[in-house]
Amino acid sequence: GQQVMQIPQYQHVQEGEDFTTYCNSSTTLSNIQWYKQRPGGHPVFLIQLVKSGEVKKQKRLTFQFGEAKKNSSLHITATQTTDVGTYFCAGPNNNAGNMLTFGGGTRLMVKP
Amino acid sequence: NAGVTQTPKFQVLKTGQSMTLQCAQDMNHEYMSWYRQDPGMGLRLIHYSVGAGITDQGEVPNGYNVSRSTTEDFPLRLLSAAPSQTSVYFCASSYSTATNEKLFFGSGTQLSVL
Repeated sequence: GQQVMQIPQYQHVQEGEDFTTYCNSSTTLSNIQWYKQRPGGHPVFLIQLVKSGEVKKQKRLTFQFGEAKKNSSLHITATQTTDVGTYFCAGPNNNAGNMLTFGGGTRLMVKP
Repeated sequence: NAGVTQTPKFQVLKTGQSMTLQCAQDMNHEYMSWYRQDPGMGLRLIHYSVGAGITDQGEVPNGYNVSRSTTEDFPLRLLSAAPSQTSVYFCASSYSTATNEKLFFGSGTQLSVL
């Protein structure tokens, strides 16, 4: 079945350093979504990418969708303590009514 | 709007007990789903519904039942709890998946099965 993998699983950074998480799908995706989950909270939608090679920015966050639409990345410039949390990518699963299949997530910890 | 409301927030069960996790949304969303979250494994789809009266299995459906008698409610039932069902459960809803609308999540239920 469809698999979505994320690396790394954990990342410790010093405040002000950059951070990148990578997402790879076993199948071509029609789109990819990113979510953020704060410690003790629930996932919250960040963004959706649809086009091959698409790049979107939200302040210090940059999201990319690969040319083959099988991979994606999230890059955070100059991390802040407010960036702490787990970041998930997710893609539609054709075998499950296009419900989302999530990657394992990357947990970001920021040292002040 | 309250969004997606899940109850209870915490629950401890003994092996073999049954319980129902409640989920309600007030956004008139057609699509609802249940995920479980385990460390390092992300969110795995248990069951989902594309509308009232329609449900289907996700990635990890064994040990769980669902029903969707109304658009608003999508309860998840554990008939005979097992320690392997210790997890955090999230209910989610979306307007549709035709264009893969974003998911709105409830606040989660932390379940421990002893």
